[in-house]
Amino acid sequence: DARVTQTPRHKVTEMGQEVTMRCQPILGHNTVFWYRQTMMQGLELLAYFRNRAPLDDSGMPKDRFSAEMPDATLATLKIQPSEPRDSAVYFCASGLSHPSQGPSYEQYFGPGTRLTVT
Amino acid sequence: GENVEQHPSTLSVQEGDSAVIKCTYSDSASNYFPWYKQELGKRPQLIIDIRSNVGEKKDQRIAVTLNKTAKHFSLHITETQPEDSAVYFCAASFYNQGGKLIFGQGTELSVKP
Repeated sequence: DARVTQTPRHKVTEMGQEVTMRCQPILGHNTVFWYRQTMMQGLELLAYFRNRAPLDDSGMPKDRFSAEMPDATLATLKIQPSEPRDSAVYFCASGLSHPSQGPSYEQYFGPGTRLTVT
Repeated sequence: GENVEQHPSTLSVQEGDSAVIKCTYSDSASNYFPWYKQELGKRPQLIIDIRSNVGEKKDQRIAVTLNKTAKHFSLHITETQPEDSAVYFCAASFYNQGGKLIFGQGTELSVKP
């Protein structure tokens, strides 16, 4: 049963510290999405990649957030410096896009990283 | 801009009754509409989806209907059970945006035994 994995599952840090979250997409999936979930804002898309190239990061605060895919099996989301308002659950999801058929649409979510910034 | 509205925000039903959750979307180019179920502390899980060339899709006790003209779609759960209690999210996706999903705000469904 292939699943998206994320690490760490929980992170508590102090304001101003750097936070790095990691995601391993399902093997063979070439599209990766980062979402943030809070009670107030619900599920927000932060950024997404296809074949490791960023397609859209307009949902992400650029001054402190950055997202990368160093290789096909790893996506990272970094916050530097972190602030209390960044406290949320961060989900990664992966999917498969075919060159000729377009996106497969289905997205499969990882377990999330629960971030608390004090 | 792209927007998905979901109603109601909370829904309480008796076990065995039906539950209906409705969503509207703003962009007529939307062509894929999934529904996710999220249990407390867990990841959202895809439970059913529908594409814009289909009006209705059913999978056992759950069904989704789509009205493209009115730009709304609905989730129907029949014979509800306590394990159906969760938060349900609708979403809309856009073919020419690489599968990007815009989510509704969620509906907290409570099924009372």
